[in-house]
Amino acid sequence: DARVTQTPRDKVTEMGQEVTMRCQPILGHNTVFWYRQTMMQGLELLAYFRNRAPLDDSGMPKDRFSAEMPDATLATLKIQPSEPRDSAVYFCASGLVQGAYNEQFFGPGTRLTVL
Amino acid sequence: AQTVTQSQPEMSVQEAETVTLSCTYDTSESDYYLFWYKQPPSRQMILVIRQEAYKQQNATENRFSVNFQKAAKSFSLKISDSQLGDAAMYFCARETSYGKLTFGQGTILTVHP
Repeated sequence: DARVTQTPRDKVTEMGQEVTMRCQPILGHNTVFWYRQTMMQGLELLAYFRNRAPLDDSGMPKDRFSAEMPDATLATLKIQPSEPRDSAVYFCASGLVQGAYNEQFFGPGTRLTVL
Repeated sequence: AQTVTQSQPEMSVQEAETVTLSCTYDTSESDYYLFWYKQPPSRQMILVIRQEAYKQQNATENRFSVNFQKAAKSFSLKISDSQLGDAAMYFCARETSYGKLTFGQGTILTVHP
């Protein structure tokens, strides 16, 4: 049963620390998405990759966030330095985008708490 | 901005009864996909049902069905024979370019035994 995995599941850190979240997409999927979920903003897209190339990261605060896909089995989202307002659940999703249709499969999310 | 609106922050239903969750959206495209996702307390996002905009027929998945009104840009979810396990946050979403999803704010569904 193929699924998207994310680590860590929960992370508590102090303001100013670097945070790295990892995602393993489903094998064979060509698109990876990073979403952030907060009570105030709901679910919002941060960045996404097609065939490992970044297509859009306009949803990310550029000064502190970075997203990479070093290989087809790993996507990372880094925050440096972290701030309390970054506290949220971060979801990774992967999909096989073919033509106009795409079904995204979500990972379990990383709950980040920045103190 | 092309938005998705869920006007019901919370809904409740008695077990075995039917409930409908509302969703409206904005788009300038003629062909697109719409989705309903369920998020239980475990926070896992689970795809419930999807609708292709060019299809006239409303999608159905077991107890879940949609009422898709393209002209009105309305996409409601009907849950029949509600079960305790249906209790969750439900998100309506529209696919934008390149597969990106724009989500509504969500509706919390409570199921009473």
